[in-house]
Amino acid sequence: SQQGEEDPQALSIQEGENATMNCSYKTSINNLQWYRQNSGRGLVHLILIRSNEREKHSGRLRVTLDTSKKSSSLLITASRAADTASYFCAPEGWGKLQFGAGTQVVVTP
Amino acid sequence: DAGVIQSPRHEVTEMGQEVTLRCKPISGHNSLFWYRQTMMRGLELLIYFNNNVPIDDSGMPEDRFSAKMPNASFSTLKIQPSEPRDSAVYFCASRYTGEGEQYFGPGTRLTVT
Repeated sequence: SQQGEEDPQALSIQEGENATMNCSYKTSINNLQWYRQNSGRGLVHLILIRSNEREKHSGRLRVTLDTSKKSSSLLITASRAADTASYFCAPEGWGKLQFGAGTQVVVTP
Repeated sequence: DAGVIQSPRHEVTEMGQEVTLRCKPISGHNSLFWYRQTMMRGLELLIYFNNNVPIDDSGMPEDRFSAKMPNASFSTLKIQPSEPRDSAVYFCASRYTGEGEQYFGPGTRLTVT
């Protein structure tokens, strides 16, 4: 399955600290995407990294992709209370995203 | 742009009743996806359409579920008859055909008693 699997399942940090979460998948992909979901809301796209890219930045987000290890990481730098949410990786292949179970991140002031 | 619109936002129904969920994708998007989210199973892709044509319905749980997209601006997901295990949040998402970012609606929270 190309379904993403996130690690850790939950992460609790203080404001200002960095948050790192990892994603592993099992098959070849066209790209890998990260989404955020606030409680009771729909998912919001954060960043997309293509299979031929190794690293991508967007604001306080940094994503890496290692296709040889079939893994990706999402780093949120200088976290804020507003970053409290669930984060999902979604490998894409054949036009479909396969979401993992997500990492629940809690950022305390 | 109003984003992806879903209705109703909440639905409570009794077992055995028919349930219809509705979705209006973002104008210009020609791919539409239906997902279901539960604590036990996470976020599951049920079906997706390209240019109003169903491409992959392998995630549809069983024959009680059906989805249609009669035109580019409207899709429905119907459950008939509904069962308590269908209780979940159902999301609709859209994007331009191909690959890339999907835009999610706010979801419909379905409770079947």
